[in-house]
Amino acid sequence: LAKTTQPISMDSYEGQEVNITCSHNNIATNDYITWYQQFPSQGPRFIIQGYKTKVTNEVASLFIPADRKSSTLSLPRVSLSDTAVYYCLVASRPDKLIFGTGTRLQVFP
Amino acid sequence: DADVTQTPRNRITKTGKRIMLECSQTKGHDRMYWYRQDPGLGLRLIYYSFDVKDINKGEISDGYSVSRQAQAKFSLSLESAIPNQTALYFCATSGSATLELFFGEGSRLTVL
Repeated sequence: LAKTTQPISMDSYEGQEVNITCSHNNIATNDYITWYQQFPSQGPRFIIQGYKTKVTNEVASLFIPADRKSSTLSLPRVSLSDTAVYYCLVASRPDKLIFGTGTRLQVFP
Repeated sequence: DADVTQTPRNRITKTGKRIMLECSQTKGHDRMYWYRQDPGLGLRLIYYSFDVKDINKGEISDGYSVSRQAQAKFSLSLESAIPNQTALYFCATSGSATLELFFGEGSRLTVL
């Protein structure tokens, strides 16, 4: 089971790009990397998933280096509404969807 | 209407009482999960089920039981609630061809 390590918290200002890095040194060959966003008193919401290189959607980009031992979630031009907790999950099986403690992002005006 | 619905949304109970949290989904997913969230601890997996006849323990199943009444329904029971089970509980579902989880809005349980 790949263990993930993320910063506990990060601060940013509106309009800036935010990069949150997740370390997963013992990632397995078949593991995918998935990021979730959670607002207070709500369930986590899927943001993006990738296996290698770069994935981009309308919300974020996910950068994964060749060794796959880390990944970086990039949020372009954050707004106050991006204030949330962000979780990185690494898994290849549906019975191994384990959440870590996440990164609390605070966006200031 | 939400795709994953949890009831009740909030519940206050006393030590020793039996509590059931219910989850229903309209996504047609086979896989259903129960997670618990405590402040600063992220989410921890309690139980999961991949079909009606399949029940599996997660990281922290002690003190909990579950029932998968139908594909769309998965309930979590605390047979004799204790104060350290005070937490926010989330139900989630996923499809068979994906690792993406869809969460309900949560059930906040307080055990006095």
